[in-house]
Amino acid sequence: EVQLVESGGGLVQPGGSLRLSCAASGFTVSSNYMSWVRQAPGKGLEWVSVIYSGGSTYYADSVKGRFTISRDNSKNTLYLQMNSLRAEDTAVYYCARRCGGDCPFDYWGQGTLVTVSS
Amino acid sequence: QPVLTQPPSASASLGASVTLTCTLSSGYSNYKVDWYQQRPGKGPRFVMRVGTGGIVGSKGDGIPDRFSVLGSGLNRYLTIKNIQEEDESDYHCGADHGSGSNFPHVVFGGGTKLTVL
Repeated sequence: EVQLVESGGGLVQPGGSLRLSCAASGFTVSSNYMSWVRQAPGKGLEWVSVIYSGGSTYYADSVKGRFTISRDNSKNTLYLQMNSLRAEDTAVYYCARRCGGDCPFDYWGQGTLVTVSS
Repeated sequence: QPVLTQPPSASASLGASVTLTCTLSSGYSNYKVDWYQQRPGKGPRFVMRVGTGGIVGSKGDGIPDRFSVLGSGLNRYLTIKNIQEEDESDYHCGADHGSGSNFPHVVFGGGTKLTVL
């Protein structure tokens, strides 16, 4: 059974840092395209970042230079390092899997809430 | 990049049918769109992908036959027949833009909140 479990969210002050984790089971993270998608309170979904099976990474303009996506193949886990956090980064962060570039996000986690506030 | 527009809300009575619409911005009529269901407090769930020829690929795991899609011009439709209480959710549409190293990213609509009366 495919499962994605996010963790690491919490309350952080503006300018602070946080690292999110997404533990995967039932499939191999490194063989898939893995993304982070966020949802601000009461808002729609916003794509944040992707790491390809080959290791290439891409980011939304809103987080470029501040966030870093990575994975640990030995732990079958996806990460999102978030630095220089802003109030507008407040959201539930979901990790999601897709089999490749022409596949939908077929599995999602339950999300982890990040609140940026002083 | 494309803009995806969804009405913020829709409603339907138990047992009735409803059609949700996702409209692509001009110039993107050949784009495929993915539909996602998000129940309250849960992560999104893939429903199915739709192009101008209808469904592309397979439905998501556990999606009942009551769900179907159509595509026409700039519009991508999700129809739910014989609506049940568990269908009350937010429905999001999303589309890929760019590929390979050409700034690949995904654009989402604002979502439609479906209320079952």
